[in-house]
Order: sequence, then structure tokens, then C-alpha cells
Amino acid sequence: DIQMTQSPSSVSASVGDRVTITCQASQGINNWLAWYQQKPGKAPKLLIYAASSLQSGVPSRFSGSRSGTDFTLTISSLQPEDFATYYCQQANSFPLTFGGGTKVEIK
Amino acid sequence: EVQLVESGGGLVQPGGSLRLSCAASGFTFSSFEMNWVRQAPGKGLEWVSFISSSGSPIYYADSVKGRFTISRDDAKNSLYLQMNSLRAEDTAVYYCARATVVPAANFDYWGQGTLVTVSS
Repeated sequence: DIQMTQSPSSVSASVGDRVTITCQASQGINNWLAWYQQKPGKAPKLLIYAASSLQSGVPSRFSGSRSGTDFTLTISSLQPEDFATYYCQQANSFPLTFGGGTKVEIK
Repeated sequence: EVQLVESGGGLVQPGGSLRLSCAASGFTFSSFEMNWVRQAPGKGLEWVSFISSSGSPIYYADSVKGRFTISRDDAKNSLYLQMNSLRAEDTAVYYCARATVVPAANFDYWGQGTLVTVSS
């Protein structure tokens, strides 16, 4: 199984800050990585797929990138509605696996 | 508008069974792969099962293999998860999630979830 190691587990940031979350795959997954946002009591929302493709309707302040087996989600200028938990997920092979999550909190 | 509505959750004793349903609307259900994803209270997301648009192939997480069965009824626009031999560690919110077209292993629409509690 492919393990997804996500870091940090939490980050405190202020509105307007640039926030970076990383996810490392235990083996090669090509570009098959997605990022989700989840708010308390709600279902996750797809933000990024194929490592860097923005899902329709997602603000352009969200971006994704890849370097080998390392993946990054960047929020260029944090907005109040961005405080949430973020998960990565590999879509390369079954079983599909998620990272452990990163909680973005208000500083 | 795409909608996924889960039902069937509840309290069940260890060793018991439960059948979850997911009613889909707003898209051509028969054309899409579907998944179940769960989230234990206060924990992260765990993929549970996948079913292709044709009904095969089907995949399961090791944690549920042999106990859970995913199925679909395209005539009823519905997805199911039959859960047998339930354990305390199966306690979670269970989400029905539509697979993206490319790749067919991301989740672009989710239901609101249904809570399954396994406890005596």
C-alpha cells in the first residue's frame, strides 16, 4: 500500500498569510494526487486533482505542485473561509490512501 | 445539481449488520464509478470501497475486506454498502463519493454522511 505522509499536522496562520502544506508518497504516484478541504461537520471538498489542476469553482489562491514524490498545496493569501483541515489523497493505485490531515488554525 | 444522500446509519451491536444506501441525482449515475469513504470521530479520512460504473471491478480496503460488500442499482440510481460482522473500529461517518472521470480515483462530489456507531 502507498503511504501518504502529510505535514505539518497543524499550522497557525493569519489572514493574508501564505500557507504551505506538504505530502510525501512512499512510492511513485506520478501526478495522481488530490487535495481536499474539510470544515467541521461537513463533507470534504475537492480542491486540486492531478497534483496541480484546480477543480472548477475553487479560488485561484489555491495551487498545487509536485517534485518527485513530494507534493505541495499552497494557499497564497489565507482568507477567513480557508480555516479548515486539508487532506491529500493518492489516486495512483488501490487501496486509495489519504494523508493524516493538516488543520489550519487562526493565529 | 449533483446530489448524494446517504441513509441507513445508526447504532448496532458488535457483530451485527447494517446496510447503507446512497441515493444519487443530478447526473447520469450509471456512467460514474462510486466509492464509500469513512471518517472515525475526530480522525482522518479512510477510503473503504470502490465500484466501477459497470459493477466490476470492485475494490476494498483491507480493514473491511470479507465483511463489507459494495453494490449498485443503476435503475434506482443508488449505491449500497452491506456491512457485516461490525466492530467498534467501524464506528464512523460514512460518505458516499462520486469518482472523478480523470483520474477515476478522486472524489468530486460527496454526500452529507451517515453515522454508524458500533457499540454494546
